[in-house]
Amino acid sequence: GAVVSQHPSRVICKSGTSVKIECRSLDFQATTMFWYRQFPKQSLMLMATSNEGSKATYEQGVEKDKFLINHASLTLSTLTVTSAHPEDSSFYICSARVSLNTEAFFGQGTRLTVV
Amino acid sequence: DAKTTQPNSMESNEEEPVHLPCNHSTISGTDYIHWYRQLPSQGPEYVIHGLTSNVNNRMASLAIAEDRKSSTLILHRATLRDAAVYYCIPQTGTYKYIFGTGTRLKVLA
Repeated sequence: GAVVSQHPSRVICKSGTSVKIECRSLDFQATTMFWYRQFPKQSLMLMATSNEGSKATYEQGVEKDKFLINHASLTLSTLTVTSAHPEDSSFYICSARVSLNTEAFFGQGTRLTVV
Repeated sequence: DAKTTQPNSMESNEEEPVHLPCNHSTISGTDYIHWYRQLPSQGPEYVIHGLTSNVNNRMASLAIAEDRKSSTLILHRATLRDAAVYYCIPQTGTYKYIFGTGTRLKVLA
């Protein structure tokens, strides 16, 4: 299957700082990318949907000023967690797809720990 | 979003077939049914998807009921590497992938 690469795979940051997570589709052009968050022993929760060149659409309850999403090209989307706090510690996962009815491919995830 | 119902957990013996059911009674006529699986500490992995007809690929088969209100993911010969949480996701008109609680599959050696 197609490859989605997420970087970094693991990051520890201090409370109050910002962290950027990159998501790249390596062998296809992704018109849409998705960002998820997953807490231990829970399912994935969709945070936002982003289309290349457009502003991201955030799910209800997700703060757009805290979780900044940029989808500047067909192969790259970034999620920046601003002013991170310990409660933002989680497993963040991105996914990408070519078009509407195709399958999505997921990155390997980024484990964020805020201390 | 279409609501899904899956068993919380299932067990299978290694080398035997596994049938993972999913009810999605509120699905609409144009919603594709996707299946993904997730191993611990990894991102989900695409398994299969379909609309109306049964679908086969190298990983699994997808049997879709005629009324499309349910589907079954079939792993023909379970291996230990198939132990994962399996998610059934009817893709709604918003074309998002909303994950439910999934089925945790345990494969016994």
